[in-house]
Amino acid sequence: QVQVMQSGAEVKKPGASVKVSCKTSGYTFTDYGIHWVRQAPGQGLEWMGWISPYNGNTNYAQKFQVRVTMTTDTSTSTAYLEVTSLRADDTAVYYCARDGAGYDYWGQGTLVIVSA
Amino acid sequence: SSELTQDPAVSVALGQTVRITCRGDSVRFFSPSWYQQKPGQAPELVVYGANFRPSGIPDRFSASTSGGEGSLTITGAQADDEADYYCNSRDNSGNYHFGGGTHLTVL
Repeated sequence: QVQVMQSGAEVKKPGASVKVSCKTSGYTFTDYGIHWVRQAPGQGLEWMGWISPYNGNTNYAQKFQVRVTMTTDTSTSTAYLEVTSLRADDTAVYYCARDGAGYDYWGQGTLVIVSA
Repeated sequence: SSELTQDPAVSVALGQTVRITCRGDSVRFFSPSWYQQKPGQAPELVVYGANFRPSGIPDRFSASTSGGEGSLTITGAQADDEADYYCNSRDNSGNYHFGGGTHLTVL
């Protein structure tokens, strides 16, 4: 069965970087893209971008184009999201989701807290 | 505009039918997918494409699109359906957008 497991919670200081992992299993990793979505406390869902594990192509939401990098490691079927120059308003739960028919499988989310 | 607009909150009596809407220009061209999110949980896909449900999603959930408005209909709402619902659609650039979300209360 398809499983999507994310790395654990992180606490970072403003200006630091964070790298969140999203390990998948139960399907051919390169057959499906991965979306990254975040949710600030008490707020709605925000699409950050998408990556193709097949060829590494990415498509970032405009507001994240400077500070976000999405990568994949096909040898471990893992996707990564790196956010640099963290600010307090980057505090959120970060989700990865498989791009099937819709976002059909989601990770459990990774809480990133940015605090001095 | 690629923004998607949802009503912040909707309520429905137990067993009745409720419609949650999602308005935006991109909906004219790309049918939205719909996600249910309960407190403390990851979102879950409930409808995708024109009107398809993933395995395990009850058939009381259905979707339709007309012009620039998509809608998610729950026919015979259950207490377990109380949650936040989000629509998601793409634009011509391949970017995706979520609506602001609708909180559904089942009375």
